Amino acid sequence: DAKTTQPNSMESNEEEPVHLPCNHSTISGTDYIHWYRQLPSQGPEYVIHGLTSNVNNRMASLAIAEDRKSSTLILHRATLRDAAVYYCILSGWGNEKLTFGTGTRLTIIP
Amino acid sequence: DAGVTQSPTHLIKTRGQQVTLRCSPKSGHDTVSWYQQALGQGPQFIFQYYEEEERQRGNFPDRFSGHQFPNYSSELNVNALLLGDSALYLCASSLPGLGQNTEAFFGQGTRLTVV
Repeated sequence: DAKTTQPNSMESNEEEPVHLPCNHSTISGTDYIHWYRQLPSQGPEYVIHGLTSNVNNRMASLAIAEDRKSSTLILHRATLRDAAVYYCILSGWGNEKLTFGTGTRLTIIP
Repeated sequence: DAGVTQSPTHLIKTRGQQVTLRCSPKSGHDTVSWYQQALGQGPQFIFQYYEEEERQRGNFPDRFSGHQFPNYSSELNVNALLLGDSALYLCASSLPGLGQNTEAFFGQGTRLTVV
């Protein structure tokens, strides 16, 4: 499985944008980039995914570098409820599993 | 839609015993995956079931087995429990093609403690 690298932890102030980086230099051409988050005492929750183009949904935006070797999850206006561990995951054709790393623990400061 | 439901929520077992965990997938989903999450770690893939067959398996011993029923619900069985099997067990449901253009929905998990 292609590997992803994320910072162990990040802090952000409430109501400010948050940029969570992910490096995936060994990504293959058919790998999708998925982001999930896990709030305390809950199962992981889907956030967003993309292949090549930037993606937006109601929760977040995903910015993918032109060479696809890195991506950034953007929370436009962080709230206390966004405090969670965020996982960046690669998964491609024929691979039905999600390979989680240790993720980035995001702390939101009131 | 109840989403993915798992039972029980908590369980305490003695080393050497056997345990069965249960999962009902989100309505319309036919693919069920199981993950083990140790404290402070990310979830680790155990296996996936589709059309009542194990389709993909992670690096877990044969003590871990599963089953999928015609209604797509699933069970995870662990035999000869070890202390190291203590973890949060997560069930995820999806449509086929998870590695591509679809998403997984996770349950709240079953917290298993082996003493």
